[in-house]
Amino acid sequence: GAVVSQHPSWVICKSGTSVKIECRSLDFQATTMFWYRQFPKQSLMLMATSNEGSKATYEQGVEKDKFLINHASLTLSTLTVTSAHPEDSSFYICSVVTGHNQPQHFGDGTRLSIL
Amino acid sequence: AQSVTQLGSHVSVSEGALVLLRCNYSSSVPPYLFWYVQYPNQGLQLLLKYTTGATLVKGINGFEAEFKKSETSFHLTKPSAHMSDAAEYFCAVSDTSGTYKYIFGTGTRLKVLA
Repeated sequence: GAVVSQHPSWVICKSGTSVKIECRSLDFQATTMFWYRQFPKQSLMLMATSNEGSKATYEQGVEKDKFLINHASLTLSTLTVTSAHPEDSSFYICSVVTGHNQPQHFGDGTRLSIL
Repeated sequence: AQSVTQLGSHVSVSEGALVLLRCNYSSSVPPYLFWYVQYPNQGLQLLLKYTTGATLVKGINGFEAEFKKSETSFHLTKPSAHMSDAAEYFCAVSDTSGTYKYIFGTGTRLKVLA
């Protein structure tokens, strides 16, 4: 299966700053990636579908101007949390789609803490 | 609309005992089904999947699951629990509309008692 690298694994920053999270598909060219958010002791919540070379598709209730997604190449998608506030603190996970009826492959997640 | 139900948010078993984690789905067409495990502060690791073919699926770490269409279930089992199996387990159904999206269950936290 695809190997997915997510960076950074952990970040702490001040309120009002922007934070970029990278998701790399190391051995597969991925036209589709997903970004999830996970609150403590809860399941994953899909935020958006990242499409290579086109705009991301956001789920209902997710602010696209707050969570900027860029999928400029077949191996890299980035999620930028703009003007982050404490309520944006969470665990963010990306995944890579490798094909029809194939499982998603997940990164190790990024723990974001906004002070 | 599709949905996934995982009965039991917490399951405790003794080391060496049978592990049974339940997953039921609702879908108008047979979906693709997956089980993932998540350890603290990590992403999700695929345990096994069902797409087509044999309904009893074997995965990693001694886990297996059986797809039962009549019961719309895909329960995860392991004959003998190990301490290292303590983790969060998620059942997921793929969206059959072709978007590749998953519908996740709420998760089951497995605790293994010594």
